[in-house]
Amino acid sequence: AQSVTQLDSQVPVFEEAPVELRCNYSSSVSVYLFWYVQYPNQGLQLLLKYLSGSTLVKGINGFEAEFNKSQTSFHLRKPSVHISDTAEYFCAVSETGGGNKLTFGTGTQLKVEL
Amino acid sequence: DAGVTQSPTHLIKTRGQQVTLRCSPKSGHDTVSWYQQALGQGPQFIFQYYEEEERQRGNFPDRFSGHQYPNYSSELNVNALLLGDSALYLCASSLVQGAQETQYFGPGTRLLVL
Repeated sequence: AQSVTQLDSQVPVFEEAPVELRCNYSSSVSVYLFWYVQYPNQGLQLLLKYLSGSTLVKGINGFEAEFNKSQTSFHLRKPSVHISDTAEYFCAVSETGGGNKLTFGTGTQLKVEL
Repeated sequence: DAGVTQSPTHLIKTRGQQVTLRCSPKSGHDTVSWYQQALGQGPQFIFQYYEEEERQRGNFPDRFSGHQYPNYSSELNVNALLLGDSALYLCASSLVQGAQETQYFGPGTRLLVL
């Protein structure tokens, strides 16, 4: 079984500042890793994913994440945030090799302030 | 290219009633997964349907059941509703293509049980 820990429930940041949202996972098998964003009263939108290859993954809206296997982490970063980035961010894992049930963390609320 | 659609958007039921939620997958996708997202929590996997069969199931009671039709659309049924079933129900679709399955989410159905 897998588990995901998002250490920060809320992250306040000023506009144009950099941000990092932390995600650690636990699994006995190889995993795929995902970040999703959820705007108020909406579903989940895929930001980026790590399946294999380069450990630095670039996604939409200027976000990127780095897979660190030794530290079992997949932290999300953005060099300069915008007010429109205010949302809930979820890290998720699934087992490789099919059967793609997603296990989510509890989410991090990113609040961008002027 | 139509994304994942869900109906209805909102629903109010009373304890003990039954409810059916519907999902149409993204064009070309053949797999549908259902998730329950309680307020302030990450989504929890309910089950997944592929080729009209339940392929995987999460830790949910038998009151939760589903169906997938030949056109890949899906239904989630919940019997004997409890107050604790109040949540956002998310449908996600994907395509079984090798082992790289990425799930795309619909906007969700918000269920309130009184």
